[in-house]
Amino acid sequence: DGGITQSPKYLFRKEGQNVTLSCEQNLNHDAMYWYRQDPGQGLRLIYYSQIVNDFQKGDIAEGYSVSREKKESFPLTVTSAQKNPTAFYLCASSPLRDRGNIQYFGAGTRLSVL
Amino acid sequence: RKEVEQDPGPFNVPEGATVAFNCTYSNSASQSFFWYRQDCRKEPKLLMSVYSSGNEDGRFTAQLNRASQYISLLIRDSKLSDSATYLCVVNRGGNTPLVFGKGTRLSVIA
Repeated sequence: DGGITQSPKYLFRKEGQNVTLSCEQNLNHDAMYWYRQDPGQGLRLIYYSQIVNDFQKGDIAEGYSVSREKKESFPLTVTSAQKNPTAFYLCASSPLRDRGNIQYFGAGTRLSVL
Repeated sequence: RKEVEQDPGPFNVPEGATVAFNCTYSNSASQSFFWYRQDCRKEPKLLMSVYSSGNEDGRFTAQLNRASQYISLLIRDSKLSDSATYLCVVNRGGNTPLVFGKGTRLSVIA
């Protein structure tokens, strides 16, 4: 099945700990994105990448880091510098050549702080 | 002014009703416009793209007014399964990431 796979579905972080959220796609999409959604709020862009080995900061990049070593994979690390990490994290991908850059989402990871 | 603004609702409507959502955007360079649907605790899914000429998909009709910078979504003959949050989405021009509104919550009641 083609799609975007995020893991784990639920993740718990201790104080001072870095955690990494996985995002893998087999759609051959060029671009990948990470969003954060807080309860009752819209999606806010953390980082995005349009090509391997290159990525750009979004609107709320502080306390997060990413890598794009392979086209299929775009992991997000939530560092200890992110003081309020509890949220729903969504990964998306899009084929840049498609009209309008439609983005397709994974099922998300819910991160909570212990 | 926020980049994308929507009435948060909730809109509570009976089955069979027609309901309309509006959305305004602030960036005149925006070129791509969409409506996404998000069910509770799930990921957003594309409902429809929005084109200047307007477009229809079954019970759903989307309109774009570039001069006034607003987008609308009309749902006819509402079903219980239409209950969800509807997200208005635009880009910032070119191959830029999408910007999502906070969404309008719809509850269709039997």
